[in-house]
Amino acid sequence: EDQVTQSPEALRLQEGESSSLNCSYTVSGLRGLFWYRQDPGKGPEFLFTLYSAGEEKEKERLKATLTKKESFLHITAPKPEDSATYLCAVQAVIQGAQKLVFGQGTRLTINP
Amino acid sequence: EAGVTQFPSHSVIEKGQTVTLRCDPISGHDNLYWYRRVMGKEIKFLLHFVKESKQDESGMPNNRFLAERTGGTYSTLKVQPAELEDSGVYFCASSTSRANYGYTFGSGTRLTVV
Repeated sequence: EDQVTQSPEALRLQEGESSSLNCSYTVSGLRGLFWYRQDPGKGPEFLFTLYSAGEEKEKERLKATLTKKESFLHITAPKPEDSATYLCAVQAVIQGAQKLVFGQGTRLTINP
Repeated sequence: EAGVTQFPSHSVIEKGQTVTLRCDPISGHDNLYWYRRVMGKEIKFLLHFVKESKQDESGMPNNRFLAERTGGTYSTLKVQPAELEDSGVYFCASSTSRANYGYTFGSGTRLTVV
């Protein structure tokens, strides 16, 4: 069964304190790993797609990396506006149908 | 470009009533998806349309849920009759045929069944 596990569930950091979020996955027919950011009352907002082990993507203070079993979202010198829930999802394609399998998310709080 | 629009944003109904959620995808997006997040759980797939056809409805919980996509444009998700366990946030997402830049999600409809 396709499964995505994110850790930690919640993380509190001081402004400027760098850290990493983890996403481990088991899926058949992987067609990409996605990172999303979700703010309260909003839908998930797309950040990155990674397709192959060793791939890295960066956007401002965020960098996502991928191995064969897990992905990391590195946050460098975060600011309070980076506070949000970060969601990891894998895209599985089965018999032509595609769907995202989500983890439960990591709730990140950056204190000023 | 306008994003994915969902309405209503909130709905409170009594058990046994009917509710219809609507999703307007980004114009030109052939793929439309419904997802749901119930309290304390991860977001889960419900179904996938390609244009007006259901490509995959394996995530639909039971036959109380009916999704349609008229003319390959907007989509509705009807719950009839609603049960307490149907409470949650229902998200719609859309994408082009190449979703490598990610699916675009709407803000969701928060459904509460009392």
